[in-house]
Amino acid sequence: AQSVAQPEDQVNVAEGNPLTVKCTYSVSGNPYLFWYVQYPNRGLQFLLKYITGDNLVKGSYGFEAEFNKSQTSFHLKKPSALVSDSALYFCAVSPNSGNTPLVFGKGTRLSVIA
Amino acid sequence: GAVVSQHPSWVICKSGTSVKIECRSLDFQATTMFWYRQFPKQSLMLMATSNEGSKATYEQGVEKDKFLINHASLTLSTLTVTSAHPEDSSFYICSAPQRGGRAYNEQFFGPGTRLTVL
Repeated sequence: AQSVAQPEDQVNVAEGNPLTVKCTYSVSGNPYLFWYVQYPNRGLQFLLKYITGDNLVKGSYGFEAEFNKSQTSFHLKKPSALVSDSALYFCAVSPNSGNTPLVFGKGTRLSVIA
Repeated sequence: GAVVSQHPSWVICKSGTSVKIECRSLDFQATTMFWYRQFPKQSLMLMATSNEGSKATYEQGVEKDKFLINHASLTLSTLTVTSAHPEDSSFYICSAPQRGGRAYNEQFFGPGTRLTVL
């Protein structure tokens, strides 16, 4: 069975500092990995995905994530955090070509402090 | 990217009534759609897979008679919460994979429907 772990319920970072939101996964075969962001009472906004190719994936709003197969991790990063980045972040995995539902981590709440 | 819409965006109803939520793929056809439920401060949990032209597939623990799913066309799936109770209050989100000959069929999420049952 596929699973995603986001070990941190909450991440606090000062504005302008780099941020990291952690994600590890478990899936049989090659994983398809995703990051989504959710603002209060809103749906999910896609940030980035890893399907194949370069391990460093760049996405929306200056976010990037690095796929590490040996550590089964897909941590989300941003060099300089903004207050507007404060939101709930979900890591998700799909075991195949996308015709199956995503399995989500529990989410990590990011708080960027001015 | 492709667009998935949901209607209504929020609904308040009395206990015992039924509520229908629509999920539409606006610019692509979706033979499959997924329905998720999200409780406050929790993750998205898959409820069911909606299949055009056939019965939905429900996850363990989800009552199919309570959460009726109809995938009437290639662009529309509906979730009806029958005899809603306060514990059904939640944020319901649908998604649809867009097929198209690519290596990966990207999924697109609707904006969600907030259901509050009084």
